[in-house]
Amino acid sequence: DVKVTQSSRYLVKRTGEKVFLECVQDMDHENMFWYRQDPGLGLRLIYFSYDVKMKEKGDIPEGYSVSREKKERFSLILESASTNQTSMYLCASLQGGITEAFFGQGTRLTVV
Amino acid sequence: GEDVEQSLFLSVREGDSSVINCTYTDSSSTYLYWYKQEPGAGLQLLTYIFSNMDMKQDQRLTVLLNKKDKHLSLRIADTQTGDSAIYFCAANSGNTPLVFGKGTRLSVIA
Repeated sequence: DVKVTQSSRYLVKRTGEKVFLECVQDMDHENMFWYRQDPGLGLRLIYFSYDVKMKEKGDIPEGYSVSREKKERFSLILESASTNQTSMYLCASLQGGITEAFFGQGTRLTVV
Repeated sequence: GEDVEQSLFLSVREGDSSVINCTYTDSSSTYLYWYKQEPGAGLQLLTYIFSNMDMKQDQRLTVLLNKKDKHLSLRIADTQTGDSAIYFCAANSGNTPLVFGKGTRLSVIA
């Protein structure tokens, strides 16, 4: 059973903290993505990666960074969390040339 | 870049058909998708269609694509309460990231 696993379902962090959201896929996919989902705004792309150590900015990269040291793991980093980063974060992976993107269960992050 | 639009809400009675509509802007989009998100869950791929197709049917689901108008629709026949969810339309071209619409919340009234 293919799987994209996000390390936490729920997180509560304080303003100014450094936050790591981890995503691991077991399908040997090349492409991985981080989205945030907010009511009425749908899914917005934060960052994506086509290969190890490669990263590309999405539509809303400000305040975020990413790390892809291994093919199966794609981490989203909030260098200094702010309350406007309270959101649901979704990780996805996709094999090039294959149509289905697989999503993790999501991490609901609350910044207080 | 690509922009995907869909209405935010749809309410139907159990047993009726639901039709969720979507428009996109980039005519070079190769794949068009419908994802379903149930409460508290991630996104699940329902179906997809290639841009060289007009229609795809899969059990209760029918996808219609009007490439000229850049319009995609998802019809759910005999809608059930278990179909209540948020439905996302998405588009991409091969390896490019999926661009999502804002999602249509489908409410099924018993």
